Order: sequence, then C-alpha cells, then structure tokens
Amino acid sequence: GNSVTQMEGPVTLSEEAFLTINCTYTATGYPSLFWYVQYPGEGLQLLLKATKADDKGSNKGFEATYRKETTSFHLEKGSVQVSDSAVYFCAQASNTGKLIFGQGTTLQVKP
Amino acid sequence: NAGVTQTPKFQVLKTGQSMTLQCAQDMNHNSMYWYRQDPGMGLRLIYYSASEGTTDKGEVPNGYNVSRLNKREFSLRLESAAPSQTSVYFCASNPIGGQGIYDYTFGSGTRLTVV
Repeated sequence: GNSVTQMEGPVTLSEEAFLTINCTYTATGYPSLFWYVQYPGEGLQLLLKATKADDKGSNKGFEATYRKETTSFHLEKGSVQVSDSAVYFCAQASNTGKLIFGQGTTLQVKP
Repeated sequence: NAGVTQTPKFQVLKTGQSMTLQCAQDMNHNSMYWYRQDPGMGLRLIYYSASEGTTDKGEVPNGYNVSRLNKREFSLRLESAAPSQTSVYFCASNPIGGQGIYDYTFGSGTRLTVV
C-alpha cells in the first residue's frame, strides 16, 4: 500500500545551520506531496506542497522538490532559526484527497 | 477566526468509560476527518466523511464510531475506552473538488488519556 517514510529524529541544529529532512514515498501513480509543521501544543499547518513531478514547493525559506525518479520529497532550509523548532510531517495524498503521513521528525534549533 | 474547533482539549477517562469528541468547522467544507497521533507513528486516519451523510473507515477504526451530524459537525465516539486509545486526536476538514481537495485545515487537538 501507499506509505511515507521520514528520517528519524530528533534533529538538533545550531541557529543558521542548513537543514535537510529526508522523505520518501511509495505509491501507485503520482500522488501530491506535502510538508506539514506542528508547533508545540498546536495542530498541523501546511508548510508547502507539490502536486506533480519536478514541482518545487516553497514557503518561509523552506523548499522541497518532487523527485519522481527517486520517489522523494526532501525538506530543506538554508539557515534555520530557533522559531523553526517543531515537528515536521511529510505526507502524500491520492486523488481521493486522503492524506497518508510519515512518522514525523522533531527539529530542535539551539541559539 | 474561521477554522476547525475541537472540544475538549484534554480528557482523562477510566478504562471502560465512554465519551464523544466534538469537532466543528465553519468553512463550509465538504470533507471531514479524524486522525490519531502517536509517538513515532505520525497521524493515522480513524474515520472520514467525504460529504454530509456519509462516513467511511480509515486505517485504524476499531473501537471508534463517528457521526456526521450536519455539514459543520463530525463527532468521534469511544464506546468503551481502552488504554491503547491514549493518544492525541485531530479533526481536519477540506473542501472537495479541484485544487481545494488538498487544502486541509486541522484543529488544535484533543489529548486523551485512558487509565
């Protein structure tokens, strides 16, 4: 069945470091791909999305490119801030709209 | 503010007790969902309702029931709570059709502990 796998956390970085969180997926067909962020005590918020191969989603300095050949959607940011500390979820959706989530990666950024 | 409202935010139950988690959205969305979030497992779909009057099982429906009361409200019921149902529960909604099918809005969650 369809699934999403993320790199395990927690990930601890110093402020201004480069961030990569790996995400790969298995699916029949070509799903849409998403990154959601969950700040402490809050619900999930959409960070960025890509709906077809080679699309790049971007928001708030974060980027991810839909790579069909490697079935990946890795999240990157060039310079993280303390305020980026959160849990990040990769997800896919079929054309029925249901989301399938990865297990989440906790990011802690230290000053 | 428009969005998805969940109640209660926190709840402690004894094993065997029942309770209903409430969810309401004011965005006129067609589809609504219940997920549970457990450490290391991400979010897993319990039940969903593609439109008013319909409900379907998700990945982990056992031990739960749902009711789509109207277009705004989608409740999740635990008939006989078990410790394995200790989790954080999220309600979500999205419009259906076109690009809006992916525009999920999540509630802030209900943290449930079953002792």
